[in-house]
Amino acid sequence: QVTLTESGPALVKPTQTLTLTCSFSGFSLNTPGVRVSWIRQPPGKALEWLALVDWADDKYFNASLKTRLSISRDTSKNQVVLRMTSMNPADTATYFCARSYSTSTSFDLWGRGTLVTVSS
Amino acid sequence: EIVLTQSPATLSVSPGESATLSCRASQTVGRNLAWYQQKPGQAPRLLIYGASIRATGIPDRFSGSGSETETEFTLTISSLQPEDFAVYYCQQYSYWPPITFGQGTKVDIK
Repeated sequence: QVTLTESGPALVKPTQTLTLTCSFSGFSLNTPGVRVSWIRQPPGKALEWLALVDWADDKYFNASLKTRLSISRDTSKNQVVLRMTSMNPADTATYFCARSYSTSTSFDLWGRGTLVTVSS
Repeated sequence: EIVLTQSPATLSVSPGESATLSCRASQTVGRNLAWYQQKPGQAPRLLIYGASIRATGIPDRFSGSGSETETEFTLTISSLQPEDFAVYYCQQYSYWPPITFGQGTKVDIK
């Protein structure tokens, strides 16, 4: 079964660092062409792509957030971790991880998402 | 950054009718455009990629097309079913980072 599952805190305080984990099964980030992204969606708003890591461990970021983001992979655990520093209330959103391929960077498989609220 | 503008923001359609959704790119994206459907509380679902290729398991009442200028794209849903009422997003993956999405079109019941 091919799945992605996001996990992490539901509530973080302003200025804290958010750490989210995407655990996946049914595919491998060692397979050439495979990519995993993080995408977020504030309540009632549109989707925003944040970051991507690929099979070669190349990493790409949304420039608007690049100074606050890091992404890493653990291929032995089939996990991708996103860290976002200096969290503020505008970062309140559902965070999704999603798979794509180098042949078509459209997202064919998504996790259910995890809602992160930033509040003191 | 490529900006995607979707229109209309809301489309009211009766079941059984067709719906035409538009997505305009601020510059050419070739055929590197996808469409997603999102229902409340769910993750987006890939419908179309490569501007006109249906994803696995997507019914043929969903079709995508693009203009010769490769800046204007259309998602057509023929004979709307009750399960088709949702928000639809376009996404480009031609020039990235960043990968960008449109602001969405909500298709609701007339």
